[in-house]
Amino acid sequence: GDSVTQMEGPVTLSEEAFLTINCTYTATGYPSLFWYVQYPGEGLQLLLKATKADDKGSNKGFEATYRKETTSFHLEKGSVQVSDSAVYFCALGREKLTFGTGTRLTIIP
Amino acid sequence: DTEVTQTPKHLVMGMTNKKSLKCEQHMGHRAMYWYKQKAKKPPELMFVYSYEKLSINESVPSRFSPECPNSSLLNLHLHALQPEDSALYLCATGHIDEQFFGPGTRLTVL
Repeated sequence: GDSVTQMEGPVTLSEEAFLTINCTYTATGYPSLFWYVQYPGEGLQLLLKATKADDKGSNKGFEATYRKETTSFHLEKGSVQVSDSAVYFCALGREKLTFGTGTRLTIIP
Repeated sequence: DTEVTQTPKHLVMGMTNKKSLKCEQHMGHRAMYWYKQKAKKPPELMFVYSYEKLSINESVPSRFSPECPNSSLLNLHLHALQPEDSALYLCATGHIDEQFFGPGTRLTVL
């Protein structure tokens, strides 16, 4: 069945550091791929998505590229801010969303 | 502004109580979802309603009973819950390419 493997957390970075959160998936066919973010005490928000191979999703300075050859969808940001502290979930979508385990990110000033 | 609202924000109930969680959306989507999220875990899909009909039930125990009275409302009726059912219950609407989540109801079962 479909599955998503996500980088273990927690991740702690200094403000303005470069961020990478790894995500790989196992699926047949061509599912859509997503990054969702959950701020403390809130529900999930869609951060970005890609619906086919080689698509790049981007939002709020975050980017991820759908790489079919490596079955990956790594999240990157060039310069993180304290306000980016949250839990990030990689997900795969077909009939339903399949989530990774989540990566807790803490940015220190 | 959140376009998916959930009430109550917090709920504490005993194992013999009956309570309901409510979700409302005015985004015009015809699919609505219930998820359960335990601490430090990803959301787990419980139910999906499509056009007000139950389309997916992920083998959820019968002590959870969903209801979709109309295209804007989704309820989750709770009865005889166990302490291990304590979690954040999230409602969502949308479609597979984009789901919009409510803020959740944090449920504690004593």
